[in-house]
Amino acid sequence: KNEVEQSPQNLTAQEGEFITINCSYSVGISALHWLQQHPGGGIVSLFMLSSGKKKHGRLIATINIQEKHSSLHITASHPRDSAVYICAVSPLLTGANSKLTFGKGITLSVRP
Amino acid sequence: NAGVTQTPKFQVLKTGQSMTLQCAQDMNHEYMSWYRQDPGMGLRLIHYSVGAGITDQGEVPNGYNVSRSTTEDFPLRLLSAAPSQTSVYFCASSYSMHQNHEQYFGPGTRLTVT
Repeated sequence: KNEVEQSPQNLTAQEGEFITINCSYSVGISALHWLQQHPGGGIVSLFMLSSGKKKHGRLIATINIQEKHSSLHITASHPRDSAVYICAVSPLLTGANSKLTFGKGITLSVRP
Repeated sequence: NAGVTQTPKFQVLKTGQSMTLQCAQDMNHEYMSWYRQDPGMGLRLIHYSVGAGITDQGEVPNGYNVSRSTTEDFPLRLLSAAPSQTSVYFCASSYSMHQNHEQYFGPGTRLTVT
């Protein structure tokens, strides 16, 4: 069974800081997703990537397929970035790209 | 587009009661799925569907039924609610099961079983 590990489990940062959230997984994948969940809120897709790097605003996601590792970076963090960040993967073995396996998520708090 | 909608947002049930959680999407997505989210655990797949008339079990299907009579709707039925089914339930959809596409999630249903 594929395992998706996220670190650190909880993270507190000061406004303006550069933040890195990590995700590692144990089997071959076709894609990796980064999702965001605000307290009491729904889940929003931030990125889907299978290689390299993607950027959207202050968010950057990278993936290293050989090392089975991905990072989500937040530049110039803001209190509104406070949320749970979830990493999910599409394991190759399932043959079903939409059947995702999820990490437990990391709770990020950005203090003003 | 409304995206993925779920009703109700909150529900309290007594043990043994039944209910249906509604999910609908207006994006003509092939793939729809139901997840439950529990504290300290990742989202877990309950059931999924790859099109009208086609459903299959996920990781934690016991106690839940689904059907997909149309592309748009994918209701989740709890036949006899148990306290272990207290959770937050998310419906999600994606364009295709066999290609890498963004997943769209509904707002969630918070269910408490007493």
